[in-house]
Amino acid sequence: GENVEQHPSTLSVQEGDSAVIKCTYSDSASNYFPWYKQELGKRPQLIIDIRSNVGEKKDQRIAVTLNKTAKHFSLHITETQPEDSAVYFCAATYSSASKIIFGSGTRLSIRP
Amino acid sequence: GAVVSQHPSWVICKSGTSVKIECRSLDFQATTMFWYRQFPKQSLMLMATSNEGSKATYEQGVEKDKFLINHASLTLSTLTVTSAHPEDSSFYICSAHGVRTPLHFGNGTRLTVT
Repeated sequence: GENVEQHPSTLSVQEGDSAVIKCTYSDSASNYFPWYKQELGKRPQLIIDIRSNVGEKKDQRIAVTLNKTAKHFSLHITETQPEDSAVYFCAATYSSASKIIFGSGTRLSIRP
Repeated sequence: GAVVSQHPSWVICKSGTSVKIECRSLDFQATTMFWYRQFPKQSLMLMATSNEGSKATYEQGVEKDKFLINHASLTLSTLTVTSAHPEDSSFYICSAHGVRTPLHFGNGTRLTVT
């Protein structure tokens, strides 16, 4: 069945450094890959997404890359700030209308 | 922007009682709604997919008779946890999307069964 693996489960970086979270997916039909940020006790918030016809997408300090051949996609956060501390989830789906399969999450901590 | 309202935000109930959670799309018509369950420090686990006017599609291992889902209109879906037990205590989150509206999450409901 569909599966999304996410690594690492926890990540601690110095403020100002970059953070990278990686995910792999199993369903080759997946073509939409959103990333969510979830702060403690709150709902997940979409921070960036990418579709399969694009290899990279950037939005200010956040970028996502996709390698469809290898079925890998990654989240890159540059110049990290304390407010970036949260749990990040990758996800994959056939389309934005289909059920989304989430990765297991990465708890990102930014050290001052 | 698009908003999904989920109510209640938290509820405490006694074992054996039923609890209903509502999920509303406030400014768009939600063609599909999803219900998730999240245990502490874990990912969101999809429970079921709800399409307006049709029966919900449940994920493997989710008891449809225990977790009743109704999607009676394009703006409202409800999840009823029937005969709740302490092991049903969890964080339940809904999400919804429309034809031109990407997926948005509700704020979640923390259910505690005593």
